Amino acid sequence: GAGVSQSPRYKVAKRGQDVALRCDPISGHVSLFWYQQALGQGPEFLTYFQNEAQLDKSGLPSDRFFAERPEGSVSTLKIQRTQQEDSAVYLCASSLIRENTEAFFGQGTRLTVV
Amino acid sequence: DAKTTQPTSMDCAEGRAANLPCNHSTISGNEYVYWYRQIHSQGPQYIIHGLKNNETNEMASLIITEDRKSSTLILPHATLRDTAVYYCIVRVNTDKLIFGTGTRLQVFP
Repeated sequence: GAGVSQSPRYKVAKRGQDVALRCDPISGHVSLFWYQQALGQGPEFLTYFQNEAQLDKSGLPSDRFFAERPEGSVSTLKIQRTQQEDSAVYLCASSLIRENTEAFFGQGTRLTVV
Repeated sequence: DAKTTQPTSMDCAEGRAANLPCNHSTISGNEYVYWYRQIHSQGPQYIIHGLKNNETNEMASLIITEDRKSSTLILPHATLRDTAVYYCIVRVNTDKLIFGTGTRLQVFP
């Protein structure tokens, strides 16, 4: 596709339910980032992949959050036992590994935990 | 933590230039200045970036002071579609982008 694609666009989960959010990066993009954006706030970094390697997961808020990119392309962010404070927009971005190149963002998945 | 300081909000009349300031007094020599914007309900959109020289593209101009401690994003002829939150970010190479709270720009008719 032409851009970063995320699915679903909207997800409502009951508290305690597990969710999986998908990101299809731009073809050929080596780097992939996940961000969490709470209402009225800027995006907060969660984790970073270079191909299939997860090089930085310093932003993951708890061990309930898990991300993977097994073949170095599509990535999945999984949240186990969702809680109300997990309600946010989850953004995915991808970029080339070329020095100082821009990252392209998807539209995000809005997660609401009820 | 974000390394930049921006005004919380700004207004601009349609057709006029919008000048959005950003302070980054602790910027390192190898850090670039990036600007992104986020229109309501969309993901952030790349605008422009630079190291020390002024930069211009089809969307905007970026003016960086000689000491690199501050910069200004210029939208030369703002339109209603430019209403968005604008983020100024300093970034090393291909490292992660650290967003602050940005400047909410309101363009009015």
